[in-house]
Amino acid sequence: AQKVTQAQTEISVVEKEDVTLDCVYETRDTTYYLFWYKQPPSGELVFLIRRNSFDEQNEISGRYSWNFQKSTSSFNFTITASQVVDSAVYFCALSSLPQKVTFGIGTKLQVIP
Amino acid sequence: DGGITQSPKYLFRKEGQNVTLSCEQNLNHDAMYWYRQDPGQGLRLIYYSQIVNDFQKGDIAEGYSVSREKKESFPLTVTSAQKNPTAFYLCASSIRTGGGADTQYFGPGTRLTVL
Repeated sequence: AQKVTQAQTEISVVEKEDVTLDCVYETRDTTYYLFWYKQPPSGELVFLIRRNSFDEQNEISGRYSWNFQKSTSSFNFTITASQVVDSAVYFCALSSLPQKVTFGIGTKLQVIP
Repeated sequence: DGGITQSPKYLFRKEGQNVTLSCEQNLNHDAMYWYRQDPGQGLRLIYYSQIVNDFQKGDIAEGYSVSREKKESFPLTVTSAQKNPTAFYLCASSIRTGGGADTQYFGPGTRLTVL
């Protein structure tokens, strides 16, 4: 069975602070994919990143960066210099089959101006 | 603009009524999905369809039904058999690459409330 744990249910930071959202996963598959989605107050899930299990390179996209470590089964997401527009619920997800995606319960991030 | 549309945005239903949620995509994606989101929980898969005229049950299909008569459309019916239908419903779609997991793209969602 697959499992995704996002232990931080809510985080509050002051604008311009850096923040890291944790994601720990469990799977017996050797090939799998990890995702991060952002859900702003409007409700739509916005795709942020997809990473396969064979690619452990860290990824940076603007103020966003992701740290994938197979040794600790973690795929953490860091926002640098947070902004109010980053306030949202962030979901980590895991999949080894096209139709089966396991989502974490999400981390609600509040950026205070 | 390409994307996924869901309608209505808000839906109110009386107990015992069936309601249908619409999901349309113009991304030419093969696969479509329906998820349910409850407060404090992740998304749970209700149904998915990989090709027209074919669909499969997800983890919580009881009390729901779907159809896939057109590639662009995947409506979800919440039947009176669904005991606790109040939730936020999200539709998603993806291209089938034939490889591993495909990236799913989501619509704006429909919030269903049972009165």
